[in-house]
Parts: sequence; structure tokens; C-alpha cells
Amino acid sequence: EPEVTQTPSHQVTQMGQEVILRCVPISNHLYFYWYRQILGQKVEFLVSFYNNEISEKSEIFDDQFSVERPDGSNFTLKIRSTKLEDSAMYFCASGQGQGLNEQFFGPGTRLTVL
Amino acid sequence: AQSVTQPDIHITVSEGASLELRCNYSYGATPYLFWYVQSPGQGLQLLLKYFSGDTLVQGIKGFEAEFKRSQSSFNLRKPSVHWSDAAEYFCAVLKNQAGTALIFGKGTTLSVSS
Repeated sequence: EPEVTQTPSHQVTQMGQEVILRCVPISNHLYFYWYRQILGQKVEFLVSFYNNEISEKSEIFDDQFSVERPDGSNFTLKIRSTKLEDSAMYFCASGQGQGLNEQFFGPGTRLTVL
Repeated sequence: AQSVTQPDIHITVSEGASLELRCNYSYGATPYLFWYVQSPGQGLQLLLKYFSGDTLVQGIKGFEAEFKRSQSSFNLRKPSVHWSDAAEYFCAVLKNQAGTALIFGKGTTLSVSS
């Protein structure tokens, strides 16, 4: 069964460093998403991406964040200058459409900023 | 603003007993509602969803949920819990019907005792 994969499973970085979190969505999906979950808090929507552009983003997704689909298979989230409060589990998801179409989630990347 | 509340942080149920996980939502129009489950080390998996019609929806793994507009609730139920149901359960609402952003509750951790 096809699944969303994410690498790495755990990333440790120093404050101020840039990180790139990688995701391989399910191959025939057209919509791509990033969510995050700070420990003990809700899963929060960051951004959705369709047709090579951002279709929706939250207030969290500021200029420090960017997304890219550099080739036909990968979907990346870049954080330019990490802060302590960026420490969280980051989930990638993909889906065939918007609205009621199911979003298929990856297992997450745990980002720790020291 | 749209929001989801899961009042129970942690629930313990005996194997074979029935289960009800509570979810309350705040949404102006007819909500699109979802229940996801997350097992350790796994991504979020969709259990079921509701958008209109029959207020009792059936999902995978023997789960069902009932939409009650008068109570702004979408509680998840299972008649007989199995040890493999131990996981974290998330209720979510789509931020807007044509959109992509899911708004999640904080989640309920289910433990199953033998």
C-alpha cells in the first residue's frame, strides 16, 4: 500500500541554523501539506501546496518557512533560521484533492532545536 | 473561529468494553469532520469523516461516529475495544469546505487494559 514517507525521523539542530525536512508524498497525489505538533499541543496546519504554489497557509507559516517540490517526487519544508520554539513533530501529508478528500499523513520528523 | 475540543486527555478502557471518545467543535456552517488515529511511530490514519446526510457514519476498524448538531459534537464510538486500539485519537474539522487546512483537537490517548 502506498504511503507518505519522511526523512529524517529525528533532526537535531542549533538555533539559527537552516533545516530542510523532506517528504515523499504518494505518487498520484496532487495536494501536499505540512503540519506540526509541539509537544503537548494540538496538531497545527502550516501550509498546503498545489500546482507548484502555496494554496493556503496559516499565521505560523511566516517568512522563515518555505516549501518546495524540487522534483517529481519530493516535497520539502525549509526553516531558514530555526528558533527554540520551532522544536516540534512535523508531519507531511498528501491527497488527491481538497475538501473532503483524505489527507494521508507521514510518520513525522521530530525536530529538536538546541 | 473554527475550533475542536477533545475534553479527555487520557482514557483507559478494558479490553472488550465499549468506548466513546468525545469531540466538540465550533463552526459556523455545516462542518466537515474527521477522526484520525495515530499509533506510535506511525502517521495519522483516517478512521472516518462526515460532511452531510446520515448523522451516524461508519469507519474502518469497527469505529463509528455520530454527528449531533444540537450539541456541536462528533463523538467516536466502538462497541468492543481490542488491545490494538491503544493509540492517540484526533478529531478534526476542515477550516472551510473548499479548503485544505484541517484544524485538530489536542487528541485523546487511549489505553486498553486486559
